[in-house]
Amino acid sequence: AQTVTQSQPEMSVQEAETVTLSCTYDTSESDYYLFWYKQPPSRQMILVIRQEAYKQQNATENRFSVNFQKAAKSFSLKISDSQLGDAAMYFCAYRRSWETSGSRLTFGEGTQLTVNP
Amino acid sequence: DTAVSQTPKYLVTQMGNDKSIKCEQNLGHDTMYWYKQDSKKFLKIMFSYNNKELIINETVPNRFSPKSPDKAHLNLHINSLELGDSAVYFCASSQGGTAGNTIYFGEGSWLTVV
Repeated sequence: AQTVTQSQPEMSVQEAETVTLSCTYDTSESDYYLFWYKQPPSRQMILVIRQEAYKQQNATENRFSVNFQKAAKSFSLKISDSQLGDAAMYFCAYRRSWETSGSRLTFGEGTQLTVNP
Repeated sequence: DTAVSQTPKYLVTQMGNDKSIKCEQNLGHDTMYWYKQDSKKFLKIMFSYNNKELIINETVPNRFSPKSPDKAHLNLHINSLELGDSAVYFCASSQGGTAGNTIYFGEGSWLTVV
């Protein structure tokens, strides 16, 4: 079974600075997707960024980028120029590629990010 | 318009009661899900439906019964509620065909059993 581990329950960053959230996963499959979701206090789950395992290039979305190390099974999220609105719980998630219909997301435990003004 | 909407958003009820949470998506997706987020904020899938057919049924007590009357709706009925059922329940949807398709979540239904 796939597992996703986020070893940092809490992180903090100063506004305008950069922070990196860690995620590791365990799988025997070679093709899969990885995601970072953000959950602000409103509890809404918001997709931040996604990475296809077959792509070597790291995904980027504006101030958000990932460092995908397939061999190490590592998928970290870097937030540049942190803003107060980035404060939230961040979840790393894994999804199989072949289980297309109804395939599940397997989530990590989450990292609570605080942004200090 | 809200893409994935669930009602009620908050629900406080007594042990032993039966309750339902409704979910509707207007994205035209063919796959819908229920996820549970416990008090430690851990998210785990409960069920998924594709074109009204049950695809995933995780180890969930029989007291939980999903029902999908059509592709746009997936309701969750819970019988004989227990204290441990207190959690936030998220409905979600996606378009099948590729696992890379985004799963869109509703805003969650916060269930408190007293």
